[in-house]
Amino acid sequence: GQQLNQSPQSMFIQEGEDVSMNCTSSSIFNTWLWYKQEPGEGPVLLIALYKAGELTSNGRLTAQFGITRKDSFLNISASIPSDVGIYFCAGHDTGNQFYFGTGTSLTVIP
Amino acid sequence: DVKVTQSSRYLVKRTGEKVFLECVQDMDHENMFWYRQDPGLGLRLIYFSYDVKMKEKGDIPEGYSVSREKKERFSLILESASTNQTSMYLCATNRVDNSPLHFGNGTRLTVT
Repeated sequence: GQQLNQSPQSMFIQEGEDVSMNCTSSSIFNTWLWYKQEPGEGPVLLIALYKAGELTSNGRLTAQFGITRKDSFLNISASIPSDVGIYFCAGHDTGNQFYFGTGTSLTVIP
Repeated sequence: DVKVTQSSRYLVKRTGEKVFLECVQDMDHENMFWYRQDPGLGLRLIYFSYDVKMKEKGDIPEGYSVSREKKERFSLILESASTNQTSMYLCATNRVDNSPLHFGNGTRLTVT
């Protein structure tokens, strides 16, 4: 199945900095999802986006559904050490198929 | 909150053994999925099911089978485990089309 292009692959940032990552697809999606996965754990849903142009926040996290329906971004403001993990996007099409990005590994340096 | 429970967090099996991975969800979701996750390859779909006794092949079904005898339980079976099946296995569910996937905590399987 299609794999989404997610960038950057990894980020090393200082505590307090803002973070931005994005995903692009060659296909149109009806839903964009953002997950966080910590080592040895399953992915946890952070934000779900259902409409082109939608901007949604969850605490310090903000995500947007691109107007072309082929991209999405996730921002984390004022990063803290517990933000460490792998973040990945997922797109959902009309056939109830999910497609996943390869993930962005985030390291926060205190 | 949706709870998706995978029966084992870590498993070590020998080549040729038959392996069962169990997944149970408590939210009456119709759809259940099995993925494997490998570094650099992301999540790949093995099998999925939209209803009891129903199953569909995903992108990499070879070497695997599944069973869904009850709505809340979806089992992944490795008929004869091989070393290339060493991986993190993730079960996921969703309620209806277009609702987000909810994942279990994963089973890290090592085949020696």
